[in-house]
Order: sequence, then structure tokens, then C-alpha cells
Amino acid sequence: QSVLTQPPSASGTPGQRVTISCSGSSSNIGSNTVNWYQQLPGTAPKLLIYSNNQRPSGVPDRFSGSKSGTSASLAISGLQSEDEADYYCAAWDDSLNGWVFGGGTKLIVL
Amino acid sequence: EVQLVESGGGLVKPGGSLRLSCAASGFTFSSYSMNWVRQAPGKGLEWVSSISSSSSYIYYADSVKGRFTISRDNAKNSLYLQMNSLRAEDTAVYYCARVGTRATVVHPWDYFDYWGQGTLVTVSS
Repeated sequence: QSVLTQPPSASGTPGQRVTISCSGSSSNIGSNTVNWYQQLPGTAPKLLIYSNNQRPSGVPDRFSGSKSGTSASLAISGLQSEDEADYYCAAWDDSLNGWVFGGGTKLIVL
Repeated sequence: EVQLVESGGGLVKPGGSLRLSCAASGFTFSSYSMNWVRQAPGKGLEWVSSISSSSSYIYYADSVKGRFTISRDNAKNSLYLQMNSLRAEDTAVYYCARVGTRATVVHPWDYFDYWGQGTLVTVSS
């Protein structure tokens, strides 16, 4: 059972916009920034969004992040087949004194 | 180019020990906090441990506290994870990951900007 809650799966067709939610609590998302990681099949995770809504260089602006209260969201617009991957949210937890991850969302491009 | 290369994984019996290493290059290793994150087969990511740039601050997940020890050698640009009293549930790919900001402490607003390719640890009799 992960501290942060994500839907196990999401799907969309090419060109569509999809969102992935991440729900936490006052000790993690409610008081700290949220980061998102993308893990393509068989590869190591890659930083996708940091500090709630910042994109590292090289990440397309089709990817965006937002946070409100104890929840966060990752939005992917103009969905492409290469976006098919697992997506994880993460944040520091003040009570646990460590990082917590969501259980991951498998994005399927139909 | 930032590179993180893990090694030391393998098959170990329950109750056994293993030491993982992560060789870093392409950046000033001594300026960054480092982390271990693991992923059990077919499962999600789980943070294991963090160590600040000068080893002054160390954090562990409750699941490994008292059994695992994180350390670093800045002169050798290397990160380590000593794993003792291993259990079947420790079976996972272990990744080392760099924190994205240069700092002497681990900040709640940090993030993991570079990851290694991972090393597989299998705990089985």
C-alpha cells in the first residue's frame, strides 16, 4: 500500500489529453513539492516534472504538472505512442522523514 | 555527462548480506546528496535511503532501518549500500539516484534528476 495514491492505469488515443492524479496528505503533498517520474518499459525511471510544475530541459511541453492542497496531477497533451510508460508521483513526507512514491500509473496509448 | 553505474547485485540466501556500489562520474560528486531507490519485480518504486553530500544527514525507510547502511566515499566518487539480514521481500532492482540540487543537506523540495541503470538483488534459498 503506497503512501501516495495513483490510479493503476490510464489510457488515451493518439492526440488526446490525459491526466493522472496523485493523492496524498498534509505531511507529504500538502506541505512539500511533487515530482513525477516516467519509466519506459525495461528502463530506469526518468525525471519528468519537478517542483510541482517544472520541466527539466529536454522534456516536451506536452507534459505539465499541477498541485492543489493534498493532490497533484500530471497532464499529457497530444498523446503519442512513445508516451506509453509507467508514471510515478513522489514527495517528501515530513512524518516519515523520507521520500514516498505513488504506486504508479500504467499509461496505455490505444 | 552524468553517469551512475551500480554494481554488486546477485543471488543471496535469506539472512545473508550484500554490498551494493554506485560509481558516479560527470559531476562533482561531493556536492550532491545521493539516494537508493528499489523496485521489486513487477512493482512500483520504493525509496530506500538518502545521504547528504558530506554524510552528515542520513535517512532510511522504515522497511530497511536497522538492516541497511548507506555510505559514500567522496574521494572515490562512490555510493554504497550495505544490506544485512536480507529477506525475500528485499528482492528488487536497486537504483542509485542523484538529487537535483547542490546542497549540504537533503531538502524536502529535492528531486532525483539522474538515475543509474540498476542492479538486481535476489534473496532466495
